[in-house]
Amino acid sequence: KNEVEQSPQNLTAQEGEFITINCSYSVGISALHWLQQHPGGGIVSLFMLSSGKKKHGRLIATINIQEKHSSLHITASHPRDSAVYICAASGGSQGNLIFGKGTKLSVKP
Amino acid sequence: GAVVSQHPSWVICKSGTSVKIECRSLDFQATTMFWYRQFPKQSLMLMATSNEGSKATYEQGVEKDKFLINHASLTLSTLTVTSAHPEDSSFYICSARDRLALGELFFGEGSRLTVL
Repeated sequence: KNEVEQSPQNLTAQEGEFITINCSYSVGISALHWLQQHPGGGIVSLFMLSSGKKKHGRLIATINIQEKHSSLHITASHPRDSAVYICAASGGSQGNLIFGKGTKLSVKP
Repeated sequence: GAVVSQHPSWVICKSGTSVKIECRSLDFQATTMFWYRQFPKQSLMLMATSNEGSKATYEQGVEKDKFLINHASLTLSTLTVTSAHPEDSSFYICSARDRLALGELFFGEGSRLTVL
């Protein structure tokens, strides 16, 4: 079993839909990261959170430390949101990341 | 926002040659940088953790003599793939931790290596 599990693996949505991507982890963490990887490969860090909830534009990330679960929500989805979203748990003495396998999101116009 | 520049973004080389990839933090100091490798349709895998002024810490299974990492300054880490072989073809990406923003990680754009 992976230490960081994401679901779903693939997600297709219509433009405007509300999207949720889930992440569960089994390790102790100092922080949970949500990353976005575009087809070209470059990665953008969306959120780093250790408790509660963060919001940036149409993106919302939540974490429940007790349940070891985090969610990434996208409101009013748009085709430009199409990307792979990766959940990563930060732990260890140097804070290196343990990555989930990613969720490939495709938003259709 | 903080920017990490990775260069080159893609490189094609012949088998047996060495390739150097640079990772620079442009507007912050990074005491720690991480190097990852990603095969097609797979998640990123940590290769090594690079600390400024000291030897890199390699993950299990990663050959330190093959993947040479140097972190000579607070803004630059390099990964050299020595005597590259076709199986080294992959997407390599770095991330850097802002010394002043605890835990905040910034990623480079990645480097796609193809070894012929």
